[in-house]
Amino acid sequence: RKEVEQDPGPFNVPEGATVAFNCTYSNSASQSFFWYRQDCRKEPKLLMSVYSSGNEDGRFTAQLNRASQYISLLIRDSKLSDSATYLCVVNAGGNKLVFGAGTILRVKS
Amino acid sequence: DAGVTQSPTHLIKTRGQQVTLRCSPISGHKSVSWYQQVLGQGPQFIFQYYEKEERGRGNFPDRFSARQFPNYSSELNVNALLLGDSALYLCASSSIGTGGTEAFFGQGTRLTVV
Repeated sequence: RKEVEQDPGPFNVPEGATVAFNCTYSNSASQSFFWYRQDCRKEPKLLMSVYSSGNEDGRFTAQLNRASQYISLLIRDSKLSDSATYLCVVNAGGNKLVFGAGTILRVKS
Repeated sequence: DAGVTQSPTHLIKTRGQQVTLRCSPISGHKSVSWYQQVLGQGPQFIFQYYEKEERGRGNFPDRFSARQFPNYSSELNVNALLLGDSALYLCASSSIGTGGTEAFFGQGTRLTVV
């Protein structure tokens, strides 16, 4: 079983749609959680950290359920520029970030 | 301010050769980590260095080695290259060594082994 699992997609959605990505992690000792965004052939960039209380940044909302070892990302009012691969990332301690394989989002006009 | 810089950006090597990849972290960052990303997968952790000491190692063979210099820049070395080593190699820097803070990635070195 992979340490971090994501639905690879692709998710093809029209502009203005709401889309949700899910992620599960296997290590219950995991300490920190993130969503990164990666554009084609570019480096990953931090989208947002994920906290147990949930957090929101504009059109993006992240949730963490430690009991279920589940992380989610909700994108509202999708824009063409949101098209990218979204990487679920877990820090399980020991200075190591564990990445999921990524979920591809394609927003179409 | 300069971000994380990696060199070279692209590299083609032959099987069996050795390669050295370089990374300069953001000024003031003392932690450097290396990741390998093959097509269609997320980055996989190779090494982490903090204050010039190895603080973490991923599940990679001994052909992979790294070091960090007094100015906090880092090199990743891969010996006896295999076709399967073809990947994007990413360097990430962060201000502290615990991994709980944001990691900033360089643009990567795209290595092709033929």
